[in-house]
Amino acid sequence: DSGVTQTPKHLITATGQRVTLRCSPRSGDLSVYWYQQSLDQGLQFLIQYYNGEERAKGNILERFSAQQFPDLHSELNLSSLELGDSALYFCASSAWTGDYGYTFGSGTRLTVV
Amino acid sequence: SQQGEEDPQALSIQEGENATMNCSYKTSINNLQWYRQNSGRGLVHLILIRSNEREKHSGRLRVTLDTSKKSSSLLITASRAADTASYFCATGSDYNQGGKLIFGQGTELSVKP
Repeated sequence: DSGVTQTPKHLITATGQRVTLRCSPRSGDLSVYWYQQSLDQGLQFLIQYYNGEERAKGNILERFSAQQFPDLHSELNLSSLELGDSALYFCASSAWTGDYGYTFGSGTRLTVV
Repeated sequence: SQQGEEDPQALSIQEGENATMNCSYKTSINNLQWYRQNSGRGLVHLILIRSNEREKHSGRLRVTLDTSKKSSSLLITASRAADTASYFCATGSDYNQGGKLIFGQGTELSVKP
């Protein structure tokens, strides 16, 4: 157990639907990062939050949004799902920003049918 | 977008041999990190080397960084079957860019008993 908790572990949903992925960071970590991993695109950085505020944005689609709550857990919302959104979605956390290694969760495997 | 490019894409060796993986990147960095991923699971942080460091050791791992060539290498000595995994380099940005990590495509290492 890495200390970063992601739920659910697996999700199967239909095209056009909306899902919410949840992440609880390791105790004491203020930064949360979301990544998408697929065979063709590799590990893509989506978005980062630090202590409740958006800190950096990557290749996140407009159909996707995220937030970090006062208790530091984060949610990634994916809407109008397409077949191509099928992927592993990872959350990671770190104590600060910059010079720290990340602790990754075990991921949510999303399958869009 | 990928920052790091890793070489080789796949590496197969016998137990007891050394494994060397290389990573090249394009822009200036604050640090470079290496992660391991067992099939379909979360990434595990192995080692971080800062931009002002040239070499770092951790157990059987040795990492070098050459900022003039924008390259890094990861050496795993006396490999074991349990080292079989995908290895990713990731470049870390500075605080002003959120400290986000950009991952390479990874090297798939297979260690045969």
